[in-house]
Amino acid sequence: EAGVTQFPSHSVIEKGQTVTLRCDPISGHDNLYWYRRVMGKEIKFLLHFVKESKQDESGMPNNRFLAERTGGTYSTLKVQPAELEDSGVYFCASSQDWRGGRDTEAFFGQGTRLTVV
Amino acid sequence: GENVEQHPSTLSVQEGDSAVIKCTYSDSASNYFPWYKQELGKRPQLIIDIRSNVGEKKDQRIAVTLNKTAKHFSLHITETQPEDSAVYFCAASPPHPVYGGSQGNLIFGKGTKLSVKP
Repeated sequence: EAGVTQFPSHSVIEKGQTVTLRCDPISGHDNLYWYRRVMGKEIKFLLHFVKESKQDESGMPNNRFLAERTGGTYSTLKVQPAELEDSGVYFCASSQDWRGGRDTEAFFGQGTRLTVV
Repeated sequence: GENVEQHPSTLSVQEGDSAVIKCTYSDSASNYFPWYKQELGKRPQLIIDIRSNVGEKKDQRIAVTLNKTAKHFSLHITETQPEDSAVYFCAASPPHPVYGGSQGNLIFGKGTKLSVKP
């Protein structure tokens, strides 16, 4: 079974440009999460999708970040325009349906290392 | 909202020794506490987790303890090996307001870089 995959693995862009990150969750996983780790700091929650709906986007830093999950499969995270402080590693994770009180493991992708120069 | 503190930030041990990493959380309603291991250049992977109705859980050389009253939980690795070297993250997850289980989104600590010297 394929794990969570993210594209690209690395991206270097100039300040003011646009970048789109993609995440393909494990097939059948309704839950998809985006996280970000800035150098030396914690992995910070950004957003949670349940299928195609945004369940929780309280972690999104500002309106330069736009996440979508059309059709409830893969997700994209667009940063427009990118700023220097957006640099970091962006992780995507997915898990099965948690309804019924079941806790399920979140499987992480390898991350996209974004560098804004 | 939930806040997770993790200590130490770096830990160096000799092969065969034990390693302990401690985390505290602020939201008493959090009910799910996973630990992730991230080796250099690889994805974070779940190594053990504990729910709030359990005080301790073991899996071979790894154990996690939870003290709900004090709102802290710890990872214990015994008989450490060089392949245990990695960054370890603790996390807490608040409950879903309707379903009661973990809501899914994780609040992480800052990580502990563990080095095991042969």
